[in-house]
Amino acid sequence: GESVGLHLPTLSVQEGDNSIINCAYSNSASDYFIWYKQESGKGPQFIIDIRSNMDKRQGQRVTVLLNKTVKHLSLQIAATQPGDSAVYFCAENEGGATNKLIFGTGTLLAVQP
Amino acid sequence: NAGVMQNPRHLVRRRGQEARLRCSPMKGHSHVYWYRQLPEEGLKFMVYLQKENIIDESGMPKERFSAEFPKEGPSILRIQQVVRGDSAAYFCASSPPPTSTQYFGPGTRLLVL
Repeated sequence: GESVGLHLPTLSVQEGDNSIINCAYSNSASDYFIWYKQESGKGPQFIIDIRSNMDKRQGQRVTVLLNKTVKHLSLQIAATQPGDSAVYFCAENEGGATNKLIFGTGTLLAVQP
Repeated sequence: NAGVMQNPRHLVRRRGQEARLRCSPMKGHSHVYWYRQLPEEGLKFMVYLQKENIIDESGMPKERFSAEFPKEGPSILRIQQVVRGDSAAYFCASSPPPTSTQYFGPGTRLLVL
């Protein structure tokens, strides 16, 4: 079936560096994409989203890029901080009546002080 | 504005018992989603409900699992005759209109002995 996958299961960065987490999706019909952050023992926390009619969206220290040609999504975190350490999931919404999210397996971001 | 609330946070059951998981959506949200997360995996969609209606239950196992979202009170995910393979974290999310961002609760961690 359709799925969302991540290229890197673990990413280790130094504090202050920029982080880039990548995600590939396979359903060209998906029209809405979300990045979630999940800390140990907690629920997913919304970070940023983007609709398919856009290719870039910026938030506070985070930027999401969408490349529909190659079905690729990335999350950029500027000046990574220890508090950014968590598992990051991309999720796609195929649209239609169901509104269900399809999650990737996640990337663990480890920030070294 | 309180976020999505789930209880209990942790639930231990013996094989064959019933598990009831509760979810109170954010104020003003009338759409509820349930997801299941196995260790070191992404979240998997189970069911999407509106008040008194099941919209999509395509991710719900056909046997032993049921969900409801009554006119009054929280949404309930019910698992009858639990087995060890039901051990997982169960997350509830809610949204106002269905095409809006889904906000997640802290989850219920079910352990079946």
